[in-house]
Amino acid sequence: GAGVSQSPSNKVTEKGKDVELRCDPISGHTALYWYRQSLGQGLEFLIYFQGNSAPDKSGLPSDRFSAERTGGSVSTLTIQRTQQEDSAVYLCASSLGREEQFFGPGTRLTVL
Amino acid sequence: GDSVTQMEGPVTLSEEAFLTINCTYTATGYPSLFWYVQYPGEGLQLLLKATKADDKGSNKGFEATYRKETTSFHLEKGSVQVSDSAVYFCALSSFRSNDYKLSFGAGTTVTVRA
Repeated sequence: GAGVSQSPSNKVTEKGKDVELRCDPISGHTALYWYRQSLGQGLEFLIYFQGNSAPDKSGLPSDRFSAERTGGSVSTLTIQRTQQEDSAVYLCASSLGREEQFFGPGTRLTVL
Repeated sequence: GDSVTQMEGPVTLSEEAFLTINCTYTATGYPSLFWYVQYPGEGLQLLLKATKADDKGSNKGFEATYRKETTSFHLEKGSVQVSDSAVYFCALSSFRSNDYKLSFGAGTTVTVRA
């Protein structure tokens, strides 16, 4: 079946602009995660959605970052007023509860 | 909080050499431990996992044993191939109160030369 998909695959934006990154999880997966992969910070957790529970936002680096998950499926990560330090690969993963997390190919964000 | 420390790279080996990547962790309770691999140009994928002490995860010739006494989960392969060139990440999840997020190590880049 289809895996986790993310769009766009690449995004170049100017400092100060807002960006939206999209994640389509594997159908039926109840849990969805966003991670960020950058040279200086490695792979870091951003936010986690599990079913209808309130999301775990403990990894969001600032209030410029937000995410939503509509209808328990698609998720959008929004970064407002982007900064150069936001440049990274943003990874989405989904899982069926505590089972294996399946990762998407990522969105490479470059902030000029 | 939870954390993972893994061997710094890069690591360069010849084909058929023995590979070890060290990984140690800090966590409360009894976490599950994972090795993920990222091949060039591809996404992260699970290589192997272990969910309790003394468990051995294995896949594609790779093995790692969950050692609670040393809080370690070292990755080993007896005879590497060029196709094993990738970035390897050690990770844990504590599964506390429905919290399944992964904490990752920094990653180790492995290059296998023919």
